[in-house]
Amino acid sequence: AQSVAQPEDQVNVAEGNPLTVKCTYSVSGNPYLFWYVQYPNRGLQFLLKYITGDNLVKGSYGFEAEFNKSQTSFHLKKPSALVSDSALYFCAVSTGGGADGLTFGKGTHLIIQP
Amino acid sequence: EPEVTQTPSHQVTQMGQEVILRCVPISNHLYFYWYRQILGQKVEFLVSFYNNEISEKSEIFDDQFSVERPDGSNFTLKIRSTKLEDSAMYFCASSELGRIAGGPPGANVLTFGAGSRLTVL
Repeated sequence: AQSVAQPEDQVNVAEGNPLTVKCTYSVSGNPYLFWYVQYPNRGLQFLLKYITGDNLVKGSYGFEAEFNKSQTSFHLKKPSALVSDSALYFCAVSTGGGADGLTFGKGTHLIIQP
Repeated sequence: EPEVTQTPSHQVTQMGQEVILRCVPISNHLYFYWYRQILGQKVEFLVSFYNNEISEKSEIFDDQFSVERPDGSNFTLKIRSTKLEDSAMYFCASSELGRIAGGPPGANVLTFGAGSRLTVL
């Protein structure tokens, strides 16, 4: 069975500093990896995905993520954090099998301090 | 930007009662999904739906759950006899591509609604 681990419940970063939200996965077969963000009282919004090709994926709002097959990781990064980046971030994986349903991590609260 | 809309935003019900959660997916999307998130826990896949039938379902989606697309626009999740442990945020999602459409399977980008919070007392 596939799984996703987000080891940090909360990440605190000062505005303007780089941020990293960690994600590791476990699947059999090739993974399709996603990051979604959830703002208060809103649905999950797609940020970026890795399917194949370049290991560094760029997404919305200046976020990027690097696929590392040897470490089975897909960490989310941004060079300079904004207060408006404060939200709940979910990593998810799919293998294309079954329902194409996504398996989500438990989420990481990102708090950007002014 | 097109949105997935869900109603109600919050519903409180008594244990044993039937609940229907409603969703209006994005109009040109072909695949529809329900997920749930129990407070403080992971977002969990319940069911996917394509061409007016269930495509896949998880172990959570037992006989007390059902889905329907009654009129070509709404997509509903029914819980026949609610239990305390059904209390959760339920998210509807839709995607443009399915497993039979172009693109590698599993590469679909899902658009989620804001969720319906169900509280079972």
